Amino acid sequence: EAGVAQSPRYKIIEKRQSVAFWCNPISGHATLYWYQQILGQGPKLLIQFQNNGVVDDSQLPKDRFSAERLKGVDSTLKIQPAKLEDSAVYLCASSPLTGAPNEKLFFGSGTQLSVL
Amino acid sequence: AQSVSQHNHHVILSEAASLELGCNYSYGGTVNLFWYVQYPGQHLQLLLKYFSGDPLVKGIKGFEAEFIKSKFSFNLRKPSVQWSDTAEYFCAVNAAAAGNKLTFGGGTRVLVKP
Repeated sequence: EAGVAQSPRYKIIEKRQSVAFWCNPISGHATLYWYQQILGQGPKLLIQFQNNGVVDDSQLPKDRFSAERLKGVDSTLKIQPAKLEDSAVYLCASSPLTGAPNEKLFFGSGTQLSVL
Repeated sequence: AQSVSQHNHHVILSEAASLELGCNYSYGGTVNLFWYVQYPGQHLQLLLKYFSGDPLVKGIKGFEAEFIKSKFSFNLRKPSVQWSDTAEYFCAVNAAAAGNKLTFGGGTRVLVKP
């Protein structure tokens, strides 16, 4: 079974620039998550999609972050403009069902963003 | 603030030693508890989970965890570690009180010396 695919693997940008990350979840998985993991901390949920609808984006800094999941499959996360504190690993995860509380999440390898 | 706490940031031990990683959470009510592991260069993957039934849960690679409701704890254990257990371990809680968002602890880096 193919896993969750993310690209790029690494990205270095200057502050105030824009950046986009891409995620392709496991085929057939209904729920998709974006997490931010700052160095030395655990992952923090940014946004959760079920199919192509947003379930939870309460922790997404909407003044600079945006995300979409077209056709309920791939997703992109964008930061515009980036700040130094956005330096982190951005993880995409998916789960097969409807995001039930006891569901296992399948994670991608992440995109490591450095903002200089 | 409600949260998930992992007591140790770094643990170093020798092969065959026993491992116990602490995890405490502060949510009341119904909780679903997880341990995820990230081996060097790999993605996060599920080690084990608890959502109901026997509070002693067995996972992959000889790991187990015990849910103690009265202590709001879900500690991870392995009786005898191997060098290949070197990884970062994350406790995570999905609580109705937190809107069913999966909240992670800060992680514990475990280094097993051969």
